[in-house]
Amino acid sequence: RKEVEQDPGPFNVPEGATVAFNCTYSNSASQSFFWYRQDCRKEPKLLMSVYSSGNEDGRFTAQLNRASQYISLLIRDSKLSDSATYLCVVDLSGGYNKLIFGAGTRLAVHP
Amino acid sequence: DAGVIQSPRHEVTEMGQEVTLRCKPISGHNSLFWYRQTMMRGLELLIYFNNNVPIDDSGMPEDRFSAKMPNASFSTLKIQPSEPRDSAVYFCASRLGGGAIYFGEGSWLTVV
Repeated sequence: RKEVEQDPGPFNVPEGATVAFNCTYSNSASQSFFWYRQDCRKEPKLLMSVYSSGNEDGRFTAQLNRASQYISLLIRDSKLSDSATYLCVVDLSGGYNKLIFGAGTRLAVHP
Repeated sequence: DAGVIQSPRHEVTEMGQEVTLRCKPISGHNSLFWYRQTMMRGLELLIYFNNNVPIDDSGMPEDRFSAKMPNASFSTLKIQPSEPRDSAVYFCASRLGGGAIYFGEGSWLTVV
């Protein structure tokens, strides 16, 4: 089992759709969870942190389920500009900075 | 504010040559990371430093790879000798405490 696993892609959705990604992690002591966005031939950029109580930023909602060891990202009202690869990252070392990325899920939003 | 700065941005080298990649983290950040990204393997953590000290280098693929962080504002990743399978994008990233990590634009390495 991989340390950090994501939903396989690609997700092809129409504009306005709601799409959800999941990411599971192997270590129950993990801390610090994030979602990143990566555009083609660019560096990953922070989309949002994931807090224990869940958090929202505009059309984006992130949640953490410690019991089942997964995080999720929900995108509402998808825009063409949301087309990118979404990467989850987990500190598997419980605070010692071993930040491991998932393989990424590609999202393509079409008109 | 300056972000993470990497150099060179692009490098093409011949097999067997030494490659040195450089990174200047964001000022004040106390952790630095080297990642490698390929289509096949995704984003792999090679090594990371906390307060200039290497903590975990288990991701370094072989002895041909080495990394140093002589001070808080500079790190290098060296490949010697380079091989075609080392062709990838190498990202440096930095972090303050338990916050998010911030990436440089990457060094695109091609070994022919």
